Amino acid sequence: QVQLQESGPGLVKPSETLSLTCTVSGGSISRFVWSWVRQSPGMGLEWIGYIDYSGSTKYNPSVRGRVIISLDTPENQFSLRLSSVTTADTAVYYCARHSADYYGPFDVWGHGTTVTVSS
Amino acid sequence: DIVMTQSPLSLPVTPGEPASISCRSSQSLRHNNGYHYLDWYVQKPGQSPQLLIYLTSTRASGVPDRFSGSGSGTEFTLKISRVEAEDVGVYYCMQALQPPRTFGQGTKVEVK
Repeated sequence: QVQLQESGPGLVKPSETLSLTCTVSGGSISRFVWSWVRQSPGMGLEWIGYIDYSGSTKYNPSVRGRVIISLDTPENQFSLRLSSVTTADTAVYYCARHSADYYGPFDVWGHGTTVTVSS
Repeated sequence: DIVMTQSPLSLPVTPGEPASISCRSSQSLRHNNGYHYLDWYVQKPGQSPQLLIYLTSTRASGVPDRFSGSGSGTEFTLKISRVEAEDVGVYYCMQALQPPRTFGQGTKVEVK
């Protein structure tokens, strides 16, 4: 059974870069599409972007210009980098798998990792 | 962006009774292939969201048949035929038709 696990610093200073990794276990990162989703009290659930098995990406315009999602196939991981963070980026960050193609629902989710932006 | 609007935002329910959640999208979620790309998720207390229903009406693996989804165009509904205590949580609809994917505000289901 595929499992996802987010990892990364829980505290980031304003204007710095948030970096998170999602490790995929129990299955290959190839053949699927992978997303990052965040949840904050003020914004609810917000899709950040996805990356597919070839490395193609699509981002939410709300974070475009600040976000990079990358793939590390040998390590079975994908990562999120969000630059120039502000307190508005404080949230629980989830990684999730699309069940099929780009339109596929999120059928597997990580447990989430809390990131606080504060000096 | 497609705006998703749910109602009600809070739903107290009696165990054994039915429950219904409405989700409306700001534009049709019908793809050229005829499918409506509307999914439902539930987030139980202290957990990450989990998939309930996709493509409007297809239950995800392991989801009890007391959950059903319906709708078309811009109007969608999640129904629970007989609520059980384990169904408490926040229910979200999400459109997967076009990026950015967008979620409804969530409906908190509480057992009376």
